[in-house]
Amino acid sequence: QVNLLQSRAALVKPGASVKLSCKASGYTFTDYYIHWVKQSHGKSLEWIGYINPNSGYTNYNEKFKSKATLTVDKSTNTAYMELSRLTSEDSATYYCTRSSRIIRGTLYVMDAWGQGASVTVSS
Amino acid sequence: DVQMTQSPSNLAASPGESVSINCKASKSISKYLAWYQQKPGKANKLLIYSGSTLQSGTPSRFSGSGSGTDFTLTIRNLEPEDFGLYYCQQHNEYPPSFGSGTKLEIK
Repeated sequence: QVNLLQSRAALVKPGASVKLSCKASGYTFTDYYIHWVKQSHGKSLEWIGYINPNSGYTNYNEKFKSKATLTVDKSTNTAYMELSRLTSEDSATYYCTRSSRIIRGTLYVMDAWGQGASVTVSS
Repeated sequence: DVQMTQSPSNLAASPGESVSINCKASKSISKYLAWYQQKPGKANKLLIYSGSTLQSGTPSRFSGSGSGTDFTLTIRNLEPEDFGLYYCQQHNEYPPSFGSGTKLEIK
């Protein structure tokens, strides 16, 4: 059974950084890309970027290039996203998701999602 | 970037009825549109991709149609578990982008 287990809620101060985790299980970690998606309260979804766990290659939405850093630890099947220089605009729920590296045309088709991690930026 | 416009924003229906949700892209995305369901306390679920391909496990009462810029998600014979939020997403080009969502409520 595919599972993406995310770290829970975080309360962080403005200007600080936060590192979210996403532990994958139930499938071969390196066969799927890991994506991160932002959902501000009551709003829609925004794609942040993805990482290839096999090579470490990353691709970011231009909007988040200076905000997010994606990494993986293959030894623990865990993906991470660090958000830096946090402001109130970064308060949101962040999801990790996956997409197939094998099936053509599905790079951005997110077939499994984590439960989401809430980040609140407040002093 | 491709802008995705979903309609309606809210929809109320009764179990057993059929509903349709529309999604319009700001430019042609060929057939590359996905639909997701979001419910409180549950992981988001991929329902359909490439316009009309049902993801494994998606009930056959769900169907997707369209190409180019105009797409539709149809749910026939609504079940109680179908109520929630639905998002469309184009997966044709970088960066992928989502619609604003449609809330499907019980009438």
